[in-house]
Amino acid sequence: NAGVTQTPKFQVLKTGQSMTLQCAQDMNHEYMSWYRQDPGMGLRLIHYSVGAGITDQGEVPNGYNVSRSTTEDFPLRLLSAAPSQTSVYFCASSLGGTGSNEQYFGPGTRLTVT
Amino acid sequence: RKEVEQDPGPFNVPEGATVAFNCTYSNSASQSFFWYRQDCRKEPKLLMSVYSSGNEDGRFTAQLNRASQYISLLIRDSKLSDSATYLCVVNSYGNNRLAFGKGNQVVVIP
Repeated sequence: NAGVTQTPKFQVLKTGQSMTLQCAQDMNHEYMSWYRQDPGMGLRLIHYSVGAGITDQGEVPNGYNVSRSTTEDFPLRLLSAAPSQTSVYFCASSLGGTGSNEQYFGPGTRLTVT
Repeated sequence: RKEVEQDPGPFNVPEGATVAFNCTYSNSASQSFFWYRQDCRKEPKLLMSVYSSGNEDGRFTAQLNRASQYISLLIRDSKLSDSATYLCVVNSYGNNRLAFGKGNQVVVIP
């Protein structure tokens, strides 16, 4: 199993550009989520999904969209990039809810918005 | 008050020594607690879950104190490879959200 994969690993965007961060998992996990990690702050939840066709907002959803058309894929779309979105983005998946299930993280995407 | 608070450190630990640190959480209804390890510029990985009775995994011991709302992690006989950031993670919102602390940075010194 590849686990959780993310592409790209690095990206530089100009303010106002849009892009999609890709996330895929091959473990048949129902639950997937996106986090951002900024220096001096803990991981913050952007959006999550409890299964195909179902998504919900996390702590910091503004400026981001998600969709979950298949169990395997959970892309994160930046609508109009802003410098405040410069961050490291992690996708994670787990077998079920987060209550007692291990979260498996992808390697991250390092995004810089200029 | 933040959901999960940790003293970021760094905790400079001589090789072979013991280091311990706590994490406090604000929601008394929190149900699940975890320690994750994150190496520099890498993704977090589960180190251990924290149970009410406490649990031990080799050189690592985790404890939960519900009355005072904190969890702890103790590392015995520290190895150079233990150098990492240890993230305290709490399931505070129910089944589908986790709250992460900023992490305790541990540097094991030869």
